[in-house]
Amino acid sequence: AQKITQTQPGMFVQEKEAVTLDCTYDTSDPSYGLFWYKQPSSGEMIFLIYQGSYDQQNATEGRYSLNFQKARKSANLVISASQLGDSAMYFCAMREVNTNAGKSTFGDGTTLTVKP
Amino acid sequence: DAGVTQSPTHLIKTRGQQVTLRCSPKSGHDTVSWYQQALGQGPQFIFQYYEEEERQRGNFPDRFSGHQFPNYSSELNVNALLLGDSALYLCASSLKVGASTDTQYFGPGTRLTVL
Repeated sequence: AQKITQTQPGMFVQEKEAVTLDCTYDTSDPSYGLFWYKQPSSGEMIFLIYQGSYDQQNATEGRYSLNFQKARKSANLVISASQLGDSAMYFCAMREVNTNAGKSTFGDGTTLTVKP
Repeated sequence: DAGVTQSPTHLIKTRGQQVTLRCSPKSGHDTVSWYQQALGQGPQFIFQYYEEEERQRGNFPDRFSGHQFPNYSSELNVNALLLGDSALYLCASSLKVGASTDTQYFGPGTRLTVL
């Protein structure tokens, strides 16, 4: 069964520094997608970055990059040059292509606090 | 480019009542999924609609039902409300493109409180 584990309930980072949010996953489907979302206190889930299981290179989107280590089943999010507006809850999610294409499975999230 | 919209924003109901939540997908999207997010947890998948049919369902009882209209908008209905149904209900839309893992874009959610 597909499963996402985020082991850091809360993280603190100084403004302008980089931070890594951990995510490990478990699946038996060889084809899957990994996603990171940001959820501010307003509640809306904002899509940040996507990594496909067959992608050879790590995904990057502006200040966000995904450190994808397939053998270790890990998909960590790296935020460079943190900003105060980055303070939010961050969720890692996975979708399996062949077995559960319609369903995203989410971790329990990591609360990131950026300090001035 | 219109994003995913949901209504209402907040809702208060009492136990045993029924509720209907609404969602309009992002422009150009044809697939709608619903999620329930309890406080302090990640979203849990309820079901997905495509071509006006329920295509996949999570571990939710039959009290949770839905509908998709020809214009791709969708409704989530919950009957016989329980206190435990209090949560943020998120709608996500995507463009079903074969077997690819297309990105789901979420709406702002409806916060349901059951008293």
